[in-house]
Amino acid sequence: GAVVSQHPSWVICKSGTSVKIECRSLDFQATTMFWYRQFPKQSLMLMATSNEGSKATYEQGVEKDKFLINHASLTLSTLTVTSAHPEDSSFYICSASRGTTNTEAFFGQGTRLTVV
Amino acid sequence: QKEVEQNSGPLSVPEGAIASLNCTYSDRGSQSFFWYRQYSGKSPELIMFIYSNGDKEDGRFTAQLNKASQYVSLLIRDSQPSDSATYLCAVNGPGTYKYIFGTGTRLKVLA
Repeated sequence: GAVVSQHPSWVICKSGTSVKIECRSLDFQATTMFWYRQFPKQSLMLMATSNEGSKATYEQGVEKDKFLINHASLTLSTLTVTSAHPEDSSFYICSASRGTTNTEAFFGQGTRLTVV
Repeated sequence: QKEVEQNSGPLSVPEGAIASLNCTYSDRGSQSFFWYRQYSGKSPELIMFIYSNGDKEDGRFTAQLNKASQYVSLLIRDSQPSDSATYLCAVNGPGTYKYIFGTGTRLKVLA
């Protein structure tokens, strides 16, 4: 399968600070990337769909000003959690698709964010 | 009604047995169906995908799709303790890149 690399794999930050998470497709061009959040023992919750060169599409209830997504190239998307609070502590996972519909998505290894 | 439904489990099977995982979906226009495995604390990894009605086999795994009944299943033959994980069903609709995930079924393979 294709390789998607996510960095960092874990991060601890202070309340009120911002954290940036990177998602890279290493061996293919990802027209579309997805950002998910997963709380313990719950399923993946899609936060936003990121298309290269355009604004991300956010799911209902996800604050676009808090979760900034940039998809600057076909191999890189970033998620910035701004003014993080303890309730933002979660497992954030990106996935990437080659861009045509009905193709499989490959996941990064996830980032465990802890806000203290 | 949830768009993709799975029994949360846990489903316990003895080592060597066949594990059967089921998933139903509500959007009749769905076209692509995926099974992912997720170990605790890790991100999902793709096991199989299926687009057409019928069975698709890959090693010990068989995906079965029945669009008329709107269900997709995953069979794991010769189950091993290392198969113990949560299995996520995902559905992708026509003309969209968005994947809808079920809540997952936790599988326990008992040695």
